[in-house]
Amino acid sequence: GAVVSQHPSWVICKSGTSVKIECRSLDFQATTMFWYRQFPKQSLMLMATSNEGSKATYEQGVEKDKFLINHASLTLSTLTVTSAHPEDSSFYICSARDGRQKETQYFGPGTRLLVL
Amino acid sequence: KQEVTQIPAALSVPEGENLVLNCSFTDSAIYNLQWFRQDPGKGLTSLLLIQSSQREQTSGRLNASLDKSSGRSTLYIAASQPGDSATYLCAVAYASGYSTLTFGKGTMLLVSP
Repeated sequence: GAVVSQHPSWVICKSGTSVKIECRSLDFQATTMFWYRQFPKQSLMLMATSNEGSKATYEQGVEKDKFLINHASLTLSTLTVTSAHPEDSSFYICSARDGRQKETQYFGPGTRLLVL
Repeated sequence: KQEVTQIPAALSVPEGENLVLNCSFTDSAIYNLQWFRQDPGKGLTSLLLIQSSQREQTSGRLNASLDKSSGRSTLYIAASQPGDSATYLCAVAYASGYSTLTFGKGTMLLVSP
């Protein structure tokens, strides 16, 4: 089956630093990737949708200058949390859609971010 | 704004019981509905996907039904096992093709031996 990986799985950083999270599709080409955020006991909230080679589309209320998304290749998307603050601490999950199977999203294992 | 609600928020049952998880959505004009499993601190595993034209889908001990007109879906788990303990998420897609998913908050299931 299709596999999506995320790196790192855990990150702890100081307030004010920037953190980059990678999302990779390992055995398929992901024309579209999605970034979600999940707070404890809450549902996954879509942050942004990115299509390879174009700018990401951000959901209402998500600061595009704070959460930088790059989808430079068909197998890699990155989310950079700039100047992270404790309120950015959350579980970040990416998903990827295979261009040949438009209905299916394959989810990564998630990245736990803790900002001190 | 589309909303997806899951009831109950948490459920604890002894091993062997059959159980039902509920999902409701506010807009019946859905494209498809998916049930996912999420283990603590982990990503999502897709369990079942029901197209809007379908009434149910089955996989092993899992059966998911869809009543689009009433905005409801149920996930039935037969003969529950401790390994079924996880959070179960319902997600709805409202547009075709490049649709995004709207998730419920999930039902946390604990099956005790």
